[in-house]
Amino acid sequence: GAGVSQSPSNKVTEKGKDVELRCDPISGHTALYWYRQSLGQGLEFLIYFQGNSAPDKSGLPSDRFSAERTGGSVSTLTIQRTQQEDSAVYLCASSLEAVGNQPQHFGDGTRLSIL
Amino acid sequence: GQSLEQPSEVTAVEGAIVQINCTYQTSGFYGLSWYQQHDGGAPTFLSYNGLDGLEETGRFSSFLSRSDSYGYLLLQELQMKDSASYFCSSPNQAGTALIFGKGTTLSVSS
Repeated sequence: GAGVSQSPSNKVTEKGKDVELRCDPISGHTALYWYRQSLGQGLEFLIYFQGNSAPDKSGLPSDRFSAERTGGSVSTLTIQRTQQEDSAVYLCASSLEAVGNQPQHFGDGTRLSIL
Repeated sequence: GQSLEQPSEVTAVEGAIVQINCTYQTSGFYGLSWYQQHDGGAPTFLSYNGLDGLEETGRFSSFLSRSDSYGYLLLQELQMKDSASYFCSSPNQAGTALIFGKGTTLSVSS
């Protein structure tokens, strides 16, 4: 596709349920990032994948959060036993290579609401 | 740690010039980028400064002074469509992701 695609665009679920968010990066982009954006806030780094290297998981806020990237392309972010504080917009981005002068291309995000 | 500070809000009128400042504290420095985000939309890349000086892209320019740990985004000939949030960002120490400021909301009025 032309850009980064995320699904679902909106997700409402009850506290305690598990959710899975999907990201389809731009074809050929080796680097993939997940960020979280709370209302009126900046973007908070969650996890980074670069090619076949081990991901940088240093931004994941708790062990309820996990992510994987299959075949160097599509990525899924999973939140287990969701809590109300997990409510936010989850943004995925990809870039040709790792950061620096490479622009990151963002998807429209998944707006997650925990009731 | 790393942090980027920028004003929370800026207002201006159509046709004016506005400057959005960003000061940073980083462990190591790998450049300053700017992103624009309209309400409910995806952040989009505007510019990158790796070295001191001014980078110009149409109506938008970005400046960096590494000795002052400071940069700014300059928007000229403002249009209503420029109303958005603007974020400065810089790579983290590991070079694995971007650290973002909290964003500056620009409101352009007629």
